[in-house]
Amino acid sequence: ILNVEQSPQSLHVQEGDSTNFTCSFPSSNFYALHWYRWETAKSPEALFVMTLNGDEKKKGRISATLNTKEGYSYLYIKGSQPEDSATYLCALNRDDKIIFGKGTRLHILP
Amino acid sequence: KAGVTQTPRYLIKTRGQQVTLSCSPISGHRSVSWYQQTPGQGLQFLFEYFSETQRNKGNFPGRFSGRQFSNSRSEMNVSTLELGDSALYLCASSSRPRETQYFGPGTRLLVL
Repeated sequence: ILNVEQSPQSLHVQEGDSTNFTCSFPSSNFYALHWYRWETAKSPEALFVMTLNGDEKKKGRISATLNTKEGYSYLYIKGSQPEDSATYLCALNRDDKIIFGKGTRLHILP
Repeated sequence: KAGVTQTPRYLIKTRGQQVTLSCSPISGHRSVSWYQQTPGQGLQFLFEYFSETQRNKGNFPGRFSGRQFSNSRSEMNVSTLELGDSALYLCASSSRPRETQYFGPGTRLLVL
């Protein structure tokens, strides 16, 4: 069974602080790793698609890195803002299936 | 460009009934996937359709089925509903399989 693990499950961060969390997966052949942000009462929104070892993607204050050899991806948020409060999901695309982690629930404290 | 739409948004059924959920993808998208989310679980993959053909199916019983029409709209059906089927059902579309998926707002199903 292919498991995609995300840690921590929940995170409280002071506004203005930077933070990061992890997505771990079996380090074998796969097609892509996706990051999504899911705000309450909204639909999951795609953040990044990463395919190559060493990939680094950036979107404003949010960035992500990928290490396929050791099987992990990090998502970084710099200078957290209240609008960053959401659940962050990673999803592994392998063997024509997409397996989601359970997400990291991020709470930004004012 | 209009996003992914799902109907209905909320639904209440009783055990033993059947239900059909609908998903209209973004215009031009030909791949549609369905997911189930229950409390404490991540998104569980149900199935994926591309060009009216089911490409993949997750580990769900045969009571869960789906189809895709020539205009790429998709429906999923759950027969003989059980209490455990209460969940948020999300549909996502992409231009092709394996590409970034765009999610609809979901259908929240409550089985009593």
